[in-house]
Amino acid sequence: GQQVMQIPQYQHVQEGEDFTTYCNSSTTLSNIQWYKQRPGGHPVFLIQLVKSGEVKKQKRLTFQFGEAKKNSSLHITATQTTDVGTYFCAATQTDSNYQLIWGAGTKLIIKP
Amino acid sequence: DGGITQSPKYLFRKEGQNVTLSCEQNLNHDAMYWYRQDPGQGLRLIYYSQIVNDFQKGDIAEGYSVSREKKESFPLTVTSAQKNPTAFYLCASSNRDRGSSTNQPQHFGDGTRLSIL
Repeated sequence: GQQVMQIPQYQHVQEGEDFTTYCNSSTTLSNIQWYKQRPGGHPVFLIQLVKSGEVKKQKRLTFQFGEAKKNSSLHITATQTTDVGTYFCAATQTDSNYQLIWGAGTKLIIKP
Repeated sequence: DGGITQSPKYLFRKEGQNVTLSCEQNLNHDAMYWYRQDPGQGLRLIYYSQIVNDFQKGDIAEGYSVSREKKESFPLTVTSAQKNPTAFYLCASSNRDRGSSTNQPQHFGDGTRLSIL
């Protein structure tokens, strides 16, 4: 079936280090959304990217959409304990029927 | 406050029993969705509905049923045919983006945790 591959599955960082998660598709995407799920919580929408090569920033978070609209990344600079959670990408493929295709998520873990 | 309300927060099911999870939204969204999330896993789509009185199967619809009689409500029934129902169930809603191929952001409820007794 249709898939969006998200890597890595887990990332352990020291507080203050950077974090990056990547999503890749074999087919062209109409748009891609990013969500954050805190432990025990529900996914919360962060941002949507639509244009080829688009870059958006939210404070320490930088979101990119690839030129070919087949990949995307989320980068967090200088992680804080409040960043802990699982980050999901969710994409609409160009020939889809309104279904979002979800990545498996990347869990950000801050080392004690 | 606008939002999505799921109930109950925790639910226990006996063998052979059907249980119904409630999802109500007051965001005036056309589309509603049900997802299943297993521990440490991503979201898998069970059913979705883009308009009242219409719904479509997602990737893992077997053992589940839904109805969409009102715009605000999209209840999910976990039937006895679902042999492994223990999971975290999330309901979401969104606007429909008519005229384009993009999806609008989804807003989620707090979820229902279902376990087998």
